[in-house]
This record gives sequence, C-alpha cells and structure tokens, in this order.
Amino acid sequence: AQSVAQPEDQVNVAEGNPLTVKCTYSVSGNPYLFWYVQYPNRGLQFLLKYITGDNLVKGSYGFEAEFNKSQTSFHLKKPSALVSDSALYFCAVRGVNFNKFYFGSGTKLNVKP
Amino acid sequence: ETGVTQSPTHLIKTRGQQVTLRCSSQSGHNTVSWYQQALGQGPQFIFQYYREEENGRGNFPPRFSGLQFPNYSSELNVNALELDDSALYLCASRRQGGNTEAFFGQGTRLTVV
Repeated sequence: AQSVAQPEDQVNVAEGNPLTVKCTYSVSGNPYLFWYVQYPNRGLQFLLKYITGDNLVKGSYGFEAEFNKSQTSFHLKKPSALVSDSALYFCAVRGVNFNKFYFGSGTKLNVKP
Repeated sequence: ETGVTQSPTHLIKTRGQQVTLRCSSQSGHNTVSWYQQALGQGPQFIFQYYREEENGRGNFPPRFSGLQFPNYSSELNVNALELDDSALYLCASRRQGGNTEAFFGQGTRLTVV
C-alpha cells in the first residue's frame, strides 16, 4: 500500500534560519515523490519532485528536498526561511499504477520575523 | 497561474440535492483528477480520467461521478448531498506519465447545509 506521513502538524522557524519539513513514505516499487504548497483559500502549487537520480532535488522559490531511500524519507528544506514561506505544505507519493497521488496530512509552516 | 480553472469558486447546497463542479484543464494536459479536501486535512483522491475514461478511483461512493470531455475539461457530479460532503474540491491536470506533476486549480468550496 502507498502512504505518506508528515509527522509534524506545525513547524515554527525564525526568518533567515534554515527550515525542514519532514515526510516519510511507503510505496511499492520506485517512489515518485512530490512537494506542494497551499496558501489560504488557494489550490496546491507544485514545488518539486523526485523521480530518479540525484538525492538532492532543487525546486521553486529556493526550496530543495533530500531523498533518502534507506530511511524512506523525502524532507523539504530551505537554507534561509522567509516570512512569505508561511503556508501549508503537503508531501505526496504517486501510486504504483500512477493513477493517483497519496497526500500527507500537511504541515503548517510558520516563519516569524 | 497554472492554467487549471474551476467553477464555481463557492457553492452552497442543501442536503439531498445534486451538484456539478467544472474544471478546465491546462493546455496540453490529457489527464484530470479530482480530490476532496476536508478542513484541516490533506486532499483525498476521488477519481481520475484519461481519454474520457475513468482509470482510477479512490474510496468514494458511486454517488460521486464524473465526466471528461474531448477537450479534456471535466465535471464532478455529486448526488444526494450529505453534510460531510462539505469540503474544498480540487481538480488537477497533468500529462500522462508516471513522472509528471499535477497542476491544481484553486478549488470549489462546497458547503452542504
């Protein structure tokens, strides 16, 4: 079965500090992993994806994610947080038959000035 | 903007009524999927359409049905509305293929009273 876990409901970080939003996954076969961000009353915006290759994936708005196969993790990172990064972040895994995404429950990121 | 548009943006219906939500896919995308996002939760997969055929379905009852048209636009129909159907309904489109990301519309906020 495919599933995604985001163990933290909320992450608080000061502006300028590095941030990490955690994600672990369970999937049959090779994982296709994604991060999305959702601002209030908006749809989901694509940030980045891991398909194969380099374990460090770079995405939009300075975000990157580190894939770790042995730990089945795909943590989202950013070297220096901005107040405007405050939003809801979702990790997702593509199902083995590619027909659907499984989303985590989301992590609310609060970046304080 | 992603190019995926949904209508209407907000809707209020009475329990037992029927509702139709609409989605226009991003240009060049032939696959569309629908998600239900309850308040404070991650999106839950309803179903996916490819070439006007449903090719994947989540754990939703048959009163949730859909259509995809030759221009790849799509509809989500929900019959016999229940109070628990109140949620944000998201449409997402992508090109067919396992490694393609989905682009989401801004959603339709459905309230059932």
